[in-house]
Amino acid sequence: DIQLTQSPSFLSASVGDRVTITCRASQGISKYLAWYQQTPGKAPKLLISGASTLQSGVPSRFSGSGSGTEFTLTISSLQPEDFATYYCQQFNSYPRSFGQGTKVEIK
Amino acid sequence: QVQLVQSGAEVKRPGASVTVSCQASGYTFENHWIHWVRQAPGQGLEWVGIINPSGGNTVYAQKFQDRVTVISDSSTSTVSLELRSLRLEDTAVYYCARDPDSGMDVWGQGTTVTVSS
Repeated sequence: DIQLTQSPSFLSASVGDRVTITCRASQGISKYLAWYQQTPGKAPKLLISGASTLQSGVPSRFSGSGSGTEFTLTISSLQPEDFATYYCQQFNSYPRSFGQGTKVEIK
Repeated sequence: QVQLVQSGAEVKRPGASVTVSCQASGYTFENHWIHWVRQAPGQGLEWVGIINPSGGNTVYAQKFQDRVTVISDSSTSTVSLELRSLRLEDTAVYYCARDPDSGMDVWGQGTTVTVSS
């Protein structure tokens, strides 16, 4: 099974900050990685698929990169609505797996 | 619009079974696999399994293999998750999500399952 490890698990940032979240896979998954945003009480929302493809309607301040075992999600200028928990997920093989999440909070 | 609508909250005793349904609309039901994902209170996302509505083939996470069944009904565009022999630790929000071969692009609203004695 493929394990995904996100870092950090928690970060405190201010509006306007540039934020980077890393996701490392226990084995190579090419570009079969997605990123989700979840706010309290809501279902996750797909932000990025294929490691770097922004979903329709997702602001351009979000970007993704990486391949193989190391991936990043970057928010170029944090906005108030971006304070949430972010998850990576691999769709290279079964069982599908998620990272443990990164909670982004207001400093 | 494309949406997945799930059944309502459930409260069950340990050892019982629960069935959660997920009705799809706004797209061709047979064209996309459907995942089940759960989230225990204050915890992260956990993948449960997946079904191909065209044919009914399934893949389950090993930890649920002997307690879970997922079926699909094309006549109602509905996927259902049955979890048996419920334990306290099965208390969670259960989500269905559509898979366009690139992640999970449409999610249901979630169904809270509470297991309590």
